[in-house]
Amino acid sequence: SAVISQKPSRDICQRGTSLTIQCQVDSQVTMMFWYRQQPGQSLTLIATANQGSEATYESGFVIDKFPISRPNLTFSTLTVSNMSPEDSSIYLCGGTSVSGNTIYFGEGSWLTVV
Amino acid sequence: TQLLEQSPQFLSIQEGENLTVYCNSSSVFSSLQWYRQEPGEGPVLLVTVVTGGEVKKLKRLTFQFGDARKDSSLHITAAQPGDTGLYLCAGAGTYKYIFGTGTRLKVLA
Repeated sequence: SAVISQKPSRDICQRGTSLTIQCQVDSQVTMMFWYRQQPGQSLTLIATANQGSEATYESGFVIDKFPISRPNLTFSTLTVSNMSPEDSSIYLCGGTSVSGNTIYFGEGSWLTVV
Repeated sequence: TQLLEQSPQFLSIQEGENLTVYCNSSSVFSSLQWYRQEPGEGPVLLVTVVTGGEVKKLKRLTFQFGDARKDSSLHITAAQPGDTGLYLCAGAGTYKYIFGTGTRLKVLA
């Protein structure tokens, strides 16, 4: 299995500010994804992080709000910009194994916007 | 748009009972995963099924992938309080993974 770590693990943020979440994966990971999980809900895909190029965003998510970088194979960042209380969620970084059959997750980043 | 519907959405049972959770879609997936998530943690992988009709067992948990690779089930035998959590299925589509709507299970001692 792949090892995935995120930071921060938790944060309380002020409305209108931005926060960058970092994700570090081990070398067994090929594709990287960012998901959001709102309280009591399942996971919703925000975007696929592409190495060295712009991320591929899902419907309802835009680069201005959720800029993503992936400068190399094992590191990615997600920024939640101009936060509002509706952005309070768990943000999860996922990575797939070389076989591509399985996606693994870290512990997630719990954001509360006040 | 690929969707994965899970049923039931919520389930509260007594310790020792059996249960089945279903994960259904109209789309075909190359593989399907089941996860359990506990409060304060990320989803933890339970199993990956790849072949249509495949059955995998993990102690008291039995997973089946539908013949057409559009659906899956998770059966728990003699549930225990430690099985409590959010169960999620996820299908591997074209270059991305789609998660099911989730089943929240509570096993009472």
